[in-house]
Amino acid sequence: EAQVTQNPRYLITVTGKKLTVTCSQNMNHEYMSWYRQDPGLGLRQIYYSMNVEVTDKGDVPEGYKVSRKEKRNFPLILESPSPNQTSLYFCASSLRGDSNYGYTFGSGTRLTVV
Amino acid sequence: SQKIEQNSEALNIQEGKTATLTCNYTNYSPAYLQWYRQDPGRGPVFLLLIRENEKEKRKERLKVTFDTTLKQSLFHITASQPADSATYLCAPTDSWGKLQFGAGTQVVVTP
Repeated sequence: EAQVTQNPRYLITVTGKKLTVTCSQNMNHEYMSWYRQDPGLGLRQIYYSMNVEVTDKGDVPEGYKVSRKEKRNFPLILESPSPNQTSLYFCASSLRGDSNYGYTFGSGTRLTVV
Repeated sequence: SQKIEQNSEALNIQEGKTATLTCNYTNYSPAYLQWYRQDPGRGPVFLLLIRENEKEKRKERLKVTFDTTLKQSLFHITASQPADSATYLCAPTDSWGKLQFGAGTQVVVTP
């Protein structure tokens, strides 16, 4: 089944403890992206990648890192999480930017930082 | 700065009627515009993409228009059903494929 898989689905962590949220797609998509969703603010892009080793900042990159060493994987790294990073995170992928099939989103990771 | 506006008030509509949602954008010239559906706690699901040189696009009971002069897209759900109840997001997209999402409009279809 074609899909974007994020792990974990739920995560509670403490301030300052490094964590990684994994994202993997099995559709050979070039484009991958990370979003966070907060009530009243909608979906905001954190980072995106147009291909392997090509990444760029989105609208809210502070406090996050990404890497794209392989086409299928695009992990999101929080080096020192803070409570304001408590949010619902989504990974998404697309064949290319103007694909008629749009972006496929993962099921989300609900992160709580205490 | 770029701004995307969708009606923040929920749209309550009776089953069988047509729901029309509006997406306005400013300080932005997207190459195309995408629409997604999102159910609570779940990831958005892609519905339609319309390019800047297309005026209208249809998929089953869905219709999207794109007016680059007005900087507006309209999204229509015809013959609406309770299963259409969800939040609908518009996402103007630049030529590099970078999306900006609106906050979404909730649609509630009552039998």
